[in-house]
Amino acid sequence: GDSVTQMEGPVTLSEEAFLTINCTYTATGYPSLFWYVQYPGEGLQLLLKATKADDKGSNKGFEATYRKETTSFHLEKGSVQVSDSAVYFCALRLSGSARQLTFGSGTQLTVLP
Amino acid sequence: DTAVSQTPKYLVTQMGNDKSIKCEQNLGHDTMYWYKQDSKKFLKIMFSYNNKELIINETVPNRFSPKSPDKAHLNLHINSLELGDSAVYFCASSPGPTNEKLFFGSGTQLSVL
Repeated sequence: GDSVTQMEGPVTLSEEAFLTINCTYTATGYPSLFWYVQYPGEGLQLLLKATKADDKGSNKGFEATYRKETTSFHLEKGSVQVSDSAVYFCALRLSGSARQLTFGSGTQLTVLP
Repeated sequence: DTAVSQTPKYLVTQMGNDKSIKCEQNLGHDTMYWYKQDSKKFLKIMFSYNNKELIINETVPNRFSPKSPDKAHLNLHINSLELGDSAVYFCASSPGPTNEKLFFGSGTQLSVL
């Protein structure tokens, strides 16, 4: 079945550090890939997405590139801020289907001032 | 106004009790979902309704019964609560069943003692 594997957290960084959160996937077809973010006390919200190989999703300084050859969708940000502290979820969905999003287990990020 | 609101935010109860969690969305979306997030932050789909009709029903004990009185509401009723039901339950909605952007509520933390 479809699955998403994320690097285990928690990840703790200092402000302005470089961030990478690894995500790899297994899918039976050609999925769309997503990063969702969950800020403390809130529900998840879509951060960025990519729908085909070599697409780059970007938002709020975060980027992720759909790499079909390595089945990966790693999240990166060049300079993190304290306000980026949250749990980050990688997810996939087979395009055009009514199937639900499949989420990874989440990675807790804490950014210290 | 909160787009997807669920109540209560916290629910503490004894084993064997019956409880309900309510969810409402004011986005005009056709599709609503219930997700369960376990203690390791892993998110799993439980149910999905589209225009009040059940379209996804994952392997969930039949003690869990969703009810959608109209497309803006999707309530979750749980009978005979067990310790393993302790988790955070998230309601979400999307414009349609194949739409990839989900809007989540802030979650209901259920603790079964």
